[in-house]
Amino acid sequence: QVTLKESGPALVKPTQTLTLTCTFSGFSLTTRGTRMGWIRQPPGRALEWLARIDWDDDKYYPTSLRARLAISKDAFRNQVFLTLTNTAPIDTATYFCARIPFRGSDFDYWGQGLLVTVSS
Amino acid sequence: QSVLPQPPSASGSPGQRVTISCSGSSSNIGSNSVNWYQQLPGTAPKLLIYSNNQRPSGVPDRFSGSKSGTSASLAISGLQSEDEADYYCAAWDDSLNGPLFGGGTKLTVL
Repeated sequence: QVTLKESGPALVKPTQTLTLTCTFSGFSLTTRGTRMGWIRQPPGRALEWLARIDWDDDKYYPTSLRARLAISKDAFRNQVFLTLTNTAPIDTATYFCARIPFRGSDFDYWGQGLLVTVSS
Repeated sequence: QSVLPQPPSASGSPGQRVTISCSGSSSNIGSNSVNWYQQLPGTAPKLLIYSNNQRPSGVPDRFSGSKSGTSASLAISGLQSEDEADYYCAAWDDSLNGPLFGGGTKLTVL
C-alpha cells in the first residue's frame, strides 16, 4: 500500500525559508525509475508543479521558481524534502507531494496536502 | 503558457454525459500524453486518466479520455452526484521540462 504524507510548518513569516518533508511508504526511491514531485495549490486556484527528484538524484524545477526551490531526498529513510526560500504571501498554498510512476509523467499517488500560510 | 486552458465550469444532470476540454500547444499536448485528475472538495487530487485514455485500477469505465492534436477531452457518462468535483488536465511540457496543469473545471451535478 502506497502512502505519502507532508509535514512542516503551517505558518511562516515573509522572507523566511519554508522546509517541507514528505514521508512515504509502499515503494522505494532507491528503485530505478522511481520519481517524486511536489505540487502546490493556492486557495481556490489551480495546481502548479514545483519540483521533481529522480531515483538517481536528478532534479528538475520550473524556470520561474528555480532560484528559490531545492528538492532533496533521504531515500533510505523514505523521505523527500522541499525548500522554498524568500517566501511571500503569494506562496500561501496547499503543498502536495506525489509519486511519478515509471510508466510516464502522471502523479499516481498523492499525499493529503499541507496548507502553508505565509503571513506576518 | 502558465496553465492549459479549460472551461471554468461544466454541469449536467444525473445520468447525462458531460465533456470537459483541455487546450494546449505543440510543446505539451501536441507531443506528450495527457493525464486527468479529479479533486473532490477538500481532498488531494486523484489520478483519473493517464496516457490520454488509460484508467488506473478502480476508476469506473464511465470516465474516458481522448486526445486529438493539441487538445484533449475528458468524458463522464452516466453522471452521478459523487462526480461533483474539480477536474484538471495535465501534460508534460517540453519548454517547462515538467508537467503543466490545466486551470481546472468545476463540475456541478444538477
